[in-house]
Amino acid sequence: EAGVTQFPSHSVIEKGQTVTLRCDPISGHDNLYWYRRVMGKEIKFLLHFVKESKQDESGMPNNRFLAERTGGTYSTLKVQPAELEDSGVYFCASSQEETGISGANVLTFGAGSRLTVL
Amino acid sequence: AQSVTQLGSHVSVSEGALVLLRCNYSSSVPPYLFWYVQYPNQGLQLLLKYTSAATLVKGINGFEAEFKKSETSFHLTKPSAHMSDAAEYFCAVSFYSSASKIIFGSGTRLSIRP
Repeated sequence: EAGVTQFPSHSVIEKGQTVTLRCDPISGHDNLYWYRRVMGKEIKFLLHFVKESKQDESGMPNNRFLAERTGGTYSTLKVQPAELEDSGVYFCASSQEETGISGANVLTFGAGSRLTVL
Repeated sequence: AQSVTQLGSHVSVSEGALVLLRCNYSSSVPPYLFWYVQYPNQGLQLLLKYTSAATLVKGINGFEAEFKKSETSFHLTKPSAHMSDAAEYFCAVSFYSSASKIIFGSGTRLSIRP
């Protein structure tokens, strides 16, 4: 099966511009997550979709970030306007509810989209 | 607050030597624990996970990790390093109350010397 696909792999933009990152989860995975790693620090949770609904968006840093998942398939993460501190690697992951092991969802991650804001 | 600490941002070992990557967590409730690996230009891949069954967990590629509650640790080991093990390794934790939200450590980059 195809894995989690992210596009673009690398984006370089200037401060103030807009960037949209896309994630295609594994087909049939209702759960989709966005994480971010800034400058070699921890990978931090941004938000979680279940189908098209935002289950948890507590990790979104501010209102310059907008995530959507229309139709419950692919998701986009838009940063507008981008700031220098938004530079980092944005990871997308998806999962199915794992049977037999309560609560411990195993996430399948994409390769990430590296964002550089100049 | 729940957190994960990985000791050593960079570890270098010789090929054939023991690999030991350290991870400690802080939690007031029983955790689920994971090790993920990221090879160059690839996504994060699950190596192994602990979910309150056996405390010694075996993963892929010969890696294993032992959950020690008294030490709040979940160190990753491999008896004999291979050149293909060079990658970045992330320890992570989640909890029953928010199992979908994984908390990651800052990562340890493993280099293998010929």
